[in-house]
Amino acid sequence: SQELEQSPQSLIVQEGKNLTINCTSSKTLYGLYWYKQKYGEGLIFLMMLQKGGEEKSHEKITAKLDEKKQQSSLHITASQPSHAGIYLCGAHNNAGNMLTFGGGTRLMVKP
Amino acid sequence: KAGVTQTPRYLIKTRGQQVTLSCSPISGHRSVSWYQQTPGQGLQFLFEYFSETQRNKGNFPGRFSGRQFSNSRSEMNVSTLELGDSALYLCASSRTGGFLGTEAFFGQGTRLTVV
Repeated sequence: SQELEQSPQSLIVQEGKNLTINCTSSKTLYGLYWYKQKYGEGLIFLMMLQKGGEEKSHEKITAKLDEKKQQSSLHITASQPSHAGIYLCGAHNNAGNMLTFGGGTRLMVKP
Repeated sequence: KAGVTQTPRYLIKTRGQQVTLSCSPISGHRSVSWYQQTPGQGLQFLFEYFSETQRNKGNFPGRFSGRQFSNSRSEMNVSTLELGDSALYLCASSRTGGFLGTEAFFGQGTRLTVV
């Protein structure tokens, strides 16, 4: 079965700093999703990447997919307290009917 | 456009009881999947439905079951509740069959506490 490993597990940054979260898959990536979760709440959809080399941005968040390395990265520029939360990467299987998730990265942004 | 709606938001049940959770997908979405989230195991896949058919099932005991109705709304049922079933249950909806090439949106979840 596919496994996703996220690094780092937790991150504390000063407001205004840039940061990167990585997600590495043990198997071929058919599609990669990034979500944000506030504690105890639902997952907020951030981005979906499908093709190798694909890069998407939304506000100050950019995600890239490296198919060869079976890896995706999420980069936040000029972090703000509103970016705090748990970031989760998820990958779907080749049938596209389930998502496997990484363990999450807990981000804290100090004002 | 309304998002994915899960009801109830919170639930407290006693061991041995059964529980039914509901998920209404985004209008026009036909695929609904369910996940269990716990601090120890993280997010784990339960099952996925498309057009009233279960297409995939995760590694959970038979006490966990689900169904999807013709309007795409889905329910999951857990019978003979155990303390370990305490978790946040999340459902996700997507437009086409499964996740391939389509965005998947999650509801706010149902927090189940078994005492």
